[in-house]
Amino acid sequence: NAGVTQTPKFQVLKTGQSMTLQCAQDMNHEYMSWYRQDPGMGLRLIHYSVGAGITDQGEVPNGYNVSRSTTEDFPLRLLSAAPSQTSVYFCASKTGTGVSVGEKLFFGSGTQLSVL
Amino acid sequence: KNEVEQSPQNLTAQEGEFITINCSYSVGISALHWLQQHPGGGIVSLFMLSSGKKKHGRLIATINIQEKHSSLHITASHPRDSAVYICAVITGNQFYFGTGTSLTVIP
Repeated sequence: NAGVTQTPKFQVLKTGQSMTLQCAQDMNHEYMSWYRQDPGMGLRLIHYSVGAGITDQGEVPNGYNVSRSTTEDFPLRLLSAAPSQTSVYFCASKTGTGVSVGEKLFFGSGTQLSVL
Repeated sequence: KNEVEQSPQNLTAQEGEFITINCSYSVGISALHWLQQHPGGGIVSLFMLSSGKKKHGRLIATINIQEKHSSLHITASHPRDSAVYICAVITGNQFYFGTGTSLTVIP
């Protein structure tokens, strides 16, 4: 099992450019999610999905799009990058949408994104 | 408005000390997670709690649903415990996170 694979690890964009952060999990998890981590603010939920074809907004969704065409993949798209989107991004997944005994949240290794 | 508050923000301890990190939350939750973020940035899940107490090795986590409070204890702390510890609550399908407690254990 690779767990949660997140790419790329580092990315530099110019304002207005677009890009996609990739996230894949091989644990057959229903729940997948994207977060940004900024100094002094902690992790904040951007978007999440509870299964293929189902996505919903989190706390800070503006400027980001997601889709979930398969159980395994949950890409995050920045359509027109802005300096305010400079952050560290994490993808995470867990077993289901309820509360399961022994449930854990599995994180990708993170993406450091800089928008100039 | 922060749904999740952690204390202390920073903590320095001598090796062997007993450590407590606190988490208070203001929303109704279905579960609470304690996470550990390593100095290199990776995040791992330590516990998921919906009631009572859990223990794993030297780590103990408790939750009081009525008081909306959880604590993470580390017994016999070790320098390898140095990390940021993050409290996260889930309400519905939304996660809310504390800003973390940075722990440094000195040999």
